[in-house]
Amino acid sequence: GDSVTQMEGPVTLSEEAFLTINCTYTATGYPSLFWYVQYPGEGLQLLLKATKADDKGSNKGFEATYRKETTSFHLEKGSVQVSDSAVYFCALTLYNQGGKLIFGQGTELSVKP
Amino acid sequence: NAGVTQTPKFQVLKTGQSMTLQCAQDMNHEYMSWYRQDPGMGLRLIHYSVGAGITDQGEVPNGYNVSRSTTEDFPLRLLSAAPSQTSVYFCASSYGLAGAHQETQYFGPGTRLLVL
Repeated sequence: GDSVTQMEGPVTLSEEAFLTINCTYTATGYPSLFWYVQYPGEGLQLLLKATKADDKGSNKGFEATYRKETTSFHLEKGSVQVSDSAVYFCALTLYNQGGKLIFGQGTELSVKP
Repeated sequence: NAGVTQTPKFQVLKTGQSMTLQCAQDMNHEYMSWYRQDPGMGLRLIHYSVGAGITDQGEVPNGYNVSRSTTEDFPLRLLSAAPSQTSVYFCASSYGLAGAHQETQYFGPGTRLLVL
């Protein structure tokens, strides 16, 4: 079935380190891909998205490229800050299935000063 | 705009009790969804709605009921609470326009439920 797999956490980095969180998916058709972020004690908010192959989503220094050939949507940031500490979720929606997100298990990131 | 609001923030129930989790949005969104978040499992879809009067089941619907009588509100009812329903519940909404699968979903702050 359709699914999303993320690298397991927690991930602990020092401030200004490079971040990669791996995400791969299995889906029929051409999904839209999303990264959502959940800060402590809050709901989820969109970080970035890409809706077709080779699109790059970017926001707040984070980037992810929709790779159809490897069915991946890895999240990267060149220099993380303490304020980036959060849980990151990779997710997809299938074509004609708006409102129905399929989530990965989430990756907790902790950034130390 | 208040966005997506959820009440209560926290609730403790005893096994067998019933309750309703409230969700409201003021963005005139057609699509609304309920998810539950459990450790190591991400979020899973319980029920969703593509407009007033229209609802359908998600991945984990057992033990939950929904109805959508207005565009703004989408309550989630637990019929007879079980410890397995201990979780954090999130409501989300989106516009539901053409190309809805590309749309951002907006999430509420969540309801933390403990069933003893």
